[in-house]
Amino acid sequence: GENVEQHPSTLSVQEGDSAVIKCTYSDSASNYFPWYKQELGKGPQLIIDIRSNVGEKKDQRIAVTLNKTAKHFSLHITETQPEDSAVYFCAAVRGGTSYGKLTFGQGTILTVHP
Amino acid sequence: EAGVAQSPRYKIIEKRQSVAFWCNPISGHATLYWYQQILGQGPKLLIQFQNNGVVDDSQLPKDRFSAERLKGVDSTLKIQPAKLEDSAVYLCASSFMGPDTQYFGPGTRLTVL
Repeated sequence: GENVEQHPSTLSVQEGDSAVIKCTYSDSASNYFPWYKQELGKGPQLIIDIRSNVGEKKDQRIAVTLNKTAKHFSLHITETQPEDSAVYFCAAVRGGTSYGKLTFGQGTILTVHP
Repeated sequence: EAGVAQSPRYKIIEKRQSVAFWCNPISGHATLYWYQQILGQGPKLLIQFQNNGVVDDSQLPKDRFSAERLKGVDSTLKIQPAKLEDSAVYLCASSFMGPDTQYFGPGTRLTVL
């Protein structure tokens, strides 16, 4: 089955700096890669996603890049703010008959210091 | 638009007891998922429904876990009997259809003593 590795497990930055989280996946049939933000006591919330026919996608301060050949994708947050502090999860979805089964990475605890 | 609703939010039980969690997905969403999230880990899919049929339950410990989605709307996840290692947050998610964006509920935090 699919396996998703996520690094780093913790990330500490100063407000205004950039943050980068990286993930690798094992199944070359995966074709959809969402990123979720989870705040304490809440369920994961989708912040951005990318499909395998696209190399990069940007939404304001958040961007995601995908390298299908290397089977890795990354989340980039620019101009970080204290409210960006949370746990971030990458995930991969295999195409075909998997009906959208998400395989999550282990998570990255992001702390933004004011 | 109302989000995914779950109850209860917290539950504490002793091992060997039974427990049930309830989920109400976003209106019109055909696909419903139950995930288990152990502290410090990413969510792991337990079972996936398409309307009221099971699509994937390969990671559901069927000797103690069961789930149903009668009438293709609400769903209930049950654990009987509970073990210490079942302590986790149980998340429900729904999507309009299959691989579409999944929206998560707030989860139920289960503690087994």
